[in-house]
Amino acid sequence: AQTVTQSQPEMSVQEAETVTLSCTYDTSESDYYLFWYKQPPSRQMILVIRQEAYKQQNATENRFSVNFQKAAKSFSLKISDSQLGDAAMYFCAYRSGHTDKLIFGTGTRLQVFP
Amino acid sequence: NAGVTQTPKFQVLKTGQSMTLQCAQDMNHEYMSWYRQDPGMGLRLIHYSVGAGITDQGEVPNGYNVSRSTTEDFPLRLLSAAPSQTSVYFCASSYSEGAGNTIYFGEGSWLTVV
Repeated sequence: AQTVTQSQPEMSVQEAETVTLSCTYDTSESDYYLFWYKQPPSRQMILVIRQEAYKQQNATENRFSVNFQKAAKSFSLKISDSQLGDAAMYFCAYRSGHTDKLIFGTGTRLQVFP
Repeated sequence: NAGVTQTPKFQVLKTGQSMTLQCAQDMNHEYMSWYRQDPGMGLRLIHYSVGAGITDQGEVPNGYNVSRSTTEDFPLRLLSAAPSQTSVYFCASSYSEGAGNTIYFGEGSWLTVV
């Protein structure tokens, strides 16, 4: 079975600085997708970024980028120029290529200090 | 388009009561699913459906029933609520399973069982 591990329960960053959130996963599949979701206090699930396993290039969305290390099964999220609005829970999630079932990590709470 | 709509947003139940969480999507999505989120954990899959008339169990199905009589609706039933079912519930949908489609989440339903 696939698993997703987020080993950092909490992280903090100064406004305008850069922070990296860690995620590792375990799978024997070759076709899969990885995601980072942001969950603000409202509890809404907001897709931040996605990575297809078959793509070697790391995904980037504005200030958000990932470091996808397929052999190491690592999928970290880098937030550049952190803003107060980035404060939230961040969940790493795995999805097999042949299903829409998401497997989530336990989350990392990010605090942003002015 | 309304996207994925969940009702109610908040509910307090007494132990042993029954209720139905409603989920509707107006995007003609085939795939729909229910997740629950407990403190300190990521979302976990309860039940899912790949189309009208087809449902299957996820990771934590006990205590819940689902049906899918139409493409648009996917209600989640608690037959005899227990305090362990206190959680935030999310409904999600996507166009079809296994094609890398975007998964859309509802805003969540907060359920407290006393």
